[in-house]
Amino acid sequence: AQSVTQLGSHVSVSEGALVLLRCNYSSSVPPYLFWYVQYPNQGLQLLLKYTSAATLVKGINGFEAEFKKSETSFHLTKPSAHMSDAAEYFCAVSEYAAGNKLTFGGGTRVLVKP
Amino acid sequence: NAGVTQTPKFRVLKTGQSMTLLCAQDMNHEYMYWYRQDPGMGLRLIHYSVGEGTTAKGEVPDGYNVSRLKKQNFLLGLESAAPSQTSVYFCASVKTGTLNLEAFFGQGTRLTVV
Repeated sequence: AQSVTQLGSHVSVSEGALVLLRCNYSSSVPPYLFWYVQYPNQGLQLLLKYTSAATLVKGINGFEAEFKKSETSFHLTKPSAHMSDAAEYFCAVSEYAAGNKLTFGGGTRVLVKP
Repeated sequence: NAGVTQTPKFRVLKTGQSMTLLCAQDMNHEYMYWYRQDPGMGLRLIHYSVGEGTTAKGEVPDGYNVSRLKKQNFLLGLESAAPSQTSVYFCASVKTGTLNLEAFFGQGTRLTVV
C-alpha cells in the first residue's frame, strides 16, 4: 500500500526566505509523485509532478522538487518566498496499478511573514 | 472548457437526510474520484471509477454510494447523513497516458450535517 508523510503541518517563512516542505513516501512500485497547492476555499492545483523522467522537477510559480529514491523523499522548495505563496500544500503519490489513485499526505500550511 | 464542475457548492443537512453530489467533467477522462478533506488529514479517497459503469471502494467508503452511468458524470450519494460526514468533498478526474497522470479537481462542496 502506498502512503505519504508530510513533516510539519504548519511552516512559517519570511518573505524572500527559502521555502522547504518535506515529503516522504512509501510505494511498492516506482511511484508517480505530485505536489498540489490549495488556496483558501478553492480546489487543488497541480504545482509539479514526477513521472520517472528527470529527478529534479520544475513546476509553476518558481517551485521545484527533487525525487530521491534512496531516501524515498520528494521535498518541495522555492528559493525566495512571496506573500502569494501562503496556502496549503499537499504531497501525493500514485501507482498506475492501483487505479491511478492519489494518496495524499496530511498537508502543510505555509504562512509568509512580511 | 469548464474542466471539473461540482454541484452544489454548499449544503446543510439534518442528520438522517439524504443527498447526492454531482461531479461533471468535460475532458473525456476515464478515471474519476471522490475525496473528502478534513483538517490535518489531507484528502482521503471515498470511491472511484475507472470507466463508465464501474465503481470501486476507496479508503473511507462507509456511508457513501456512487454511480457512473455516464462517462462524464460521477455521483456521490449519502443515504442517511451523519455529523461525521461534515467535510469538504472534492471530485477529481485523471488524464491518463504516457508520463501523464495529472488529476484535475473541482472547486469542492462544503457539507455540514447538523
